[in-house]
Amino acid sequence: AQKITQTQPGMFVQEKEAVTLDCTYDTSDQSYGLFWYKQPSSGEMIFLIYQGSYDEQNATEGRYSLNFQKARKSANLVISASQLGDSAMYFCAMRSLNYGGSQGNLIFGKGTKLSVKP
Amino acid sequence: GAGVSQSPRYKVAKRGQDVALRCDPISGHVSLFWYQQALGQGPEFLTYFQNEAQLDKSGLPSDRFFAERPEGSVSTLKIQRTQQEDSAVYLCASSLRGLRSNQPQHFGDGTRLSIL
Repeated sequence: AQKITQTQPGMFVQEKEAVTLDCTYDTSDQSYGLFWYKQPSSGEMIFLIYQGSYDEQNATEGRYSLNFQKARKSANLVISASQLGDSAMYFCAMRSLNYGGSQGNLIFGKGTKLSVKP
Repeated sequence: GAGVSQSPRYKVAKRGQDVALRCDPISGHVSLFWYQQALGQGPEFLTYFQNEAQLDKSGLPSDRFFAERPEGSVSTLKIQRTQQEDSAVYLCASSLRGLRSNQPQHFGDGTRLSIL
């Protein structure tokens, strides 16, 4: 069975500093995708970044980068130059891309609440 | 707008009532997912549609939950004889392609359901 573990219920970071949000995963699939979503207090889930299991380079999207360590089964999100608007819940999620696997629904972790201090 | 639209935004119902939650996905998106998010938790999968076909309903918690997408666009999640444990945020997501796609799922704002 697939599982996502986020061990940090809450994190604090000073504005303009970088922060790393941890995510480890468990799967027996050979092909899978890893996603990070941001959920502000208003409730919408905002897609941030994607990493495929066969991608050789770490994904980057603006201030977001994904530190992908396949052997360790970790996919940590790095946010550089934190802004007050980054305060939100952050969810790591995984999706099987295996032929014959699940229909591709996302498996989510429990999330990390990030608070950015001015 | 061009995003996923869910209605109502908030729904309060008495225990035992039936409720219907609507999702209007991004135009042209093949895949549609429903998730349930309890307070302080990550979303949990309920059911999946590829066009009008419901290909996976393994996450529906009981036979009181029913979902449909008759014309392959708008979807409705219906909960019959609601119970207090049904209180949660119900999220709908759509993505452009179907199986084995690396396309991200785009979420609506959710419907916050409260059962009294």
